[in-house]
Amino acid sequence: AQSVAQPEDQVNVAEGNPLTVKCTYSVSGNPYLFWYVQYPNRGLQFLLKYITGDNLVKGSYGFEAEFNKSQTSFHLKKPSALVSDSALYFCAVRDILTGGGNKLTFGTGTQLKVEL
Amino acid sequence: DAGITQSPRHKVTETGTPVTLRCHQTENHRYMYWYRQDPGHGLRLIHYSYGVKDTDKGEVSDGYSVSRSKTEDFLLTLESATSSQTSVYFCAISDGLAGGTDTQYFGPGTRLTVL
Repeated sequence: AQSVAQPEDQVNVAEGNPLTVKCTYSVSGNPYLFWYVQYPNRGLQFLLKYITGDNLVKGSYGFEAEFNKSQTSFHLKKPSALVSDSALYFCAVRDILTGGGNKLTFGTGTQLKVEL
Repeated sequence: DAGITQSPRHKVTETGTPVTLRCHQTENHRYMYWYRQDPGHGLRLIHYSYGVKDTDKGEVSDGYSVSRSKTEDFLLTLESATSSQTSVYFCAISDGLAGGTDTQYFGPGTRLTVL
């Protein structure tokens, strides 16, 4: 079975400071990992994904994520937060071995609040 | 929203009535998915389709059925709506790249309230 955990319901950051949104996963085989962002009353927007290769993945809007196999983590990062980054962020995982139907399993989401 | 529309966008209905939600895509993608989003649960997969007339259950399929008679349309039906089905419903699509590396793209959502 595949699962993902986002341990923080909310993260507060001052504008201009670096931000990190945490994600850990559990799979039987190797994972494909995704980050999505959701603004109020909108659908989810794709930010970035890790499939293979370089552990540091760069995505949209200046976000990046680091895949760490030993810690089974895929934390989302940004060097300098903006107020407009305030949104709900979801991590998702697909197990290469058992993720039939290209199904994703989502975390419960982390609300990011960036304050002036 | 990647060529995906959902209708209706908002619906209020009463317990026991049937409800059908529609997802329409213009991307000619093979896979389509229905999720529900609830506080504290994130997104949970209801049903998905891997081709015309090919569907399978997700983790929360009880009380829901789906149909896909055309590549572009995926319907979600609540046969007899209950208050526990009050939620925001999202459709997603993906092109089904070999090896499962494809990205899912989401529609704008339908907010359903069952009174």
